[in-house]
Amino acid sequence: EDQVTQSPEALRLQEGESSSLNCSYTVSGLRGLFWYRQDPGKGPEFLFTLYSAGEEKEKERLKATLTKKESFLHITAPKPEDSATYLCAVQRDGSSNTGKLIFGQGTTLQVKP
Amino acid sequence: EAGVTQFPSHSVIEKGQTVTLRCDPISGHDNLYWYRRVMGKEIKFLLHFVKESKQDESGMPNNRFLAERTGGTYSTLKVQPAELEDSGVYFCASSFNAVGQGYGYTFGSGTRLTVV
Repeated sequence: EDQVTQSPEALRLQEGESSSLNCSYTVSGLRGLFWYRQDPGKGPEFLFTLYSAGEEKEKERLKATLTKKESFLHITAPKPEDSATYLCAVQRDGSSNTGKLIFGQGTTLQVKP
Repeated sequence: EAGVTQFPSHSVIEKGQTVTLRCDPISGHDNLYWYRRVMGKEIKFLLHFVKESKQDESGMPNNRFLAERTGGTYSTLKVQPAELEDSGVYFCASSFNAVGQGYGYTFGSGTRLTVV
């Protein structure tokens, strides 16, 4: 069964304290792995898509990496405005061409000034 | 460019009543998706439209849920009759292509449904 597990569930950092969020996945054929950011009361906001092991993508203080079993979202020198819930989702490869995403439960990040 | 719009933003209904949620996707996006997050759980897929056709409805929980997308523009999700376990946040997303290549899927802010 396809599954996505994110850890930790919650993370508190001091401003400037770098860390990583983990997303472990089990899927029978990965088409893509997505990272989203979600603020309270809002919908998920797209950050990155990774397609193959070894791929890396960066955006400001965020860097996402992918292996065959997991993805990491590295946050370098975070600021309070980086506080949010970070969601990981996988898309299964297949002939049906569906856009179905399988989400993890998310990691809630709080960055204190 | 306007994003994905959902309304109402909140709805409180009694068990047994009917509720209709609406989603307006980004103009030109043929692919429209419904997802749901119930308390304490992850966001789960409900269904996927390509234009007005249902491409994948494997996530629809039961026949009390009816999704439509007449004319391939906006979509509605009707719950009839609503049960307590239907409470949660319902998200709509849209994309130009089904695989979300390049920029992923754009989500709306969701409709928070509370069934009492």
